Amino acid sequence: DQQVKQNSPSLSVQEGRISILNCDYTNSMFDYFLWYKKYPAEGPTFLISISSIKDKNEDGRFTVFLNKSAKHLSLHIVPSQPGDSAVYFCAATGDSGGAQKLVFGQGTRLTINP
Amino acid sequence: DTGVSQNPRHKITKRGQNVTFRCDPISEHNRLYWYRQTLGQGPEFLTYFQNEAQLEKSRLLSDRFSAERPKGSFSTLEIQRTEQGDSAMYLCASSRLAGGGFTDTQYFGPGTRLTVL
Repeated sequence: DQQVKQNSPSLSVQEGRISILNCDYTNSMFDYFLWYKKYPAEGPTFLISISSIKDKNEDGRFTVFLNKSAKHLSLHIVPSQPGDSAVYFCAATGDSGGAQKLVFGQGTRLTINP
Repeated sequence: DTGVSQNPRHKITKRGQNVTFRCDPISEHNRLYWYRQTLGQGPEFLTYFQNEAQLEKSRLLSDRFSAERPKGSFSTLEIQRTEQGDSAMYLCASSRLAGGGFTDTQYFGPGTRLTVL
């Protein structure tokens, strides 16, 4: 069963506009969420995270929103830049006292058009 | 900070052969993870070490897979009698135990791409 889902395989956005990537989860035990960016032939790079005790976390151009009741989170990138073109993975964990293994979504390929 | 490194970056082998991958975590990171990623999917958890102790293994890790982390530093992942279904990207991540109920951030290496012919 897919506990973390990214339902949009791809997204195309014009440079300078806002990119919104979405993620849904089913496991109510998840209490920490992360977004990673991945370029081809590289490992995932950590972008931003949010704890379940918050509903928003901001870092520069990146903001993550968490809606616990809907079991939904989103990543907003504004303004979008060509270098943001990559695959974005949402990940979740719910084991703060243990292994903290990450459960990933399938990824969304973001393309920023000039 | 040199980041997480993995070797080799690419490995092509014939079915039935054994392969071994190495991961060097960020220094002073006491947690080390192995994940596997297949085409079109996100990474899937395989196993986890805290220092030299292997504390959790996924059901994905069959008997043909073994991982070690001697002395709590680098780690190796060995696959015996490789099968075509083992073809994937093998990712290593490390983190520093935050403690206090906080979640640490995992930092990933570039991965080893395995192709089994």
